Amino acid sequence: SQQGEEDPQALSIQEGENATMNCSYKTSINNLQWYRQNSGRGLVHLILIRSNEREKHSGRLRVTLDTSKKSSSLLITASRAADTASYFCATGLYGGATNKLIFGTGTLLAVQP
Amino acid sequence: KAGVTQTPRYLIKTRGQQVTLSCSPISGHRSVSWYQQTPGQGLQFLFEYFSETQRNKGNFPGRFSGRQFSNSRSEMNVSTLELGDSALYLCASSTAGLDSPLHFGNGTRLTVT
Repeated sequence: SQQGEEDPQALSIQEGENATMNCSYKTSINNLQWYRQNSGRGLVHLILIRSNEREKHSGRLRVTLDTSKKSSSLLITASRAADTASYFCATGLYGGATNKLIFGTGTLLAVQP
Repeated sequence: KAGVTQTPRYLIKTRGQQVTLSCSPISGHRSVSWYQQTPGQGLQFLFEYFSETQRNKGNFPGRFSGRQFSNSRSEMNVSTLELGDSALYLCASSTAGLDSPLHFGNGTRLTVT
């Protein structure tokens, strides 16, 4: 099963509005990353937040991490039509036999002009 | 700086055949990882190579294999293709592996008939 589950699965908003996506995960992590994917193309890295960090900003993006609740959120402010894409969280698991980066199920964001 | 290049972009094979996919990482990146993306299973980690050695492996059968060359270029091979292997195969490179941002190629779309 997926380590990360995103919520909602799909989100439709108007240009200029804010979009919030949530990610929940199951086990302890070393870091959590957010990626964006435009239809049929590769993923683009947005933000990496480490387990000892609580909040991180990058331009119009704000990511929070709550390790006690095993959850993270991605906020996109003042959204644009170009933000239309799928957004994935990915959790880094280290230790044990295999280190892995496990992707969540994704949130499909549609920004209407 | 050139991005991650994956070839070919599209591939159609029949069941039982084998296929080799190629990935050229960003110059200077020593880690290359591979992912399979399908509508049903999402993004799943296949394996990661670092300095020509497989460092991490996901839960895929032995039909899926890979290698990395001294110039960091990587190839992935799938033998005895099954219909369920139809997917977008994504390659990603990074400087330090799974604890650093991944830079993805646009993928190879494999269709098995």
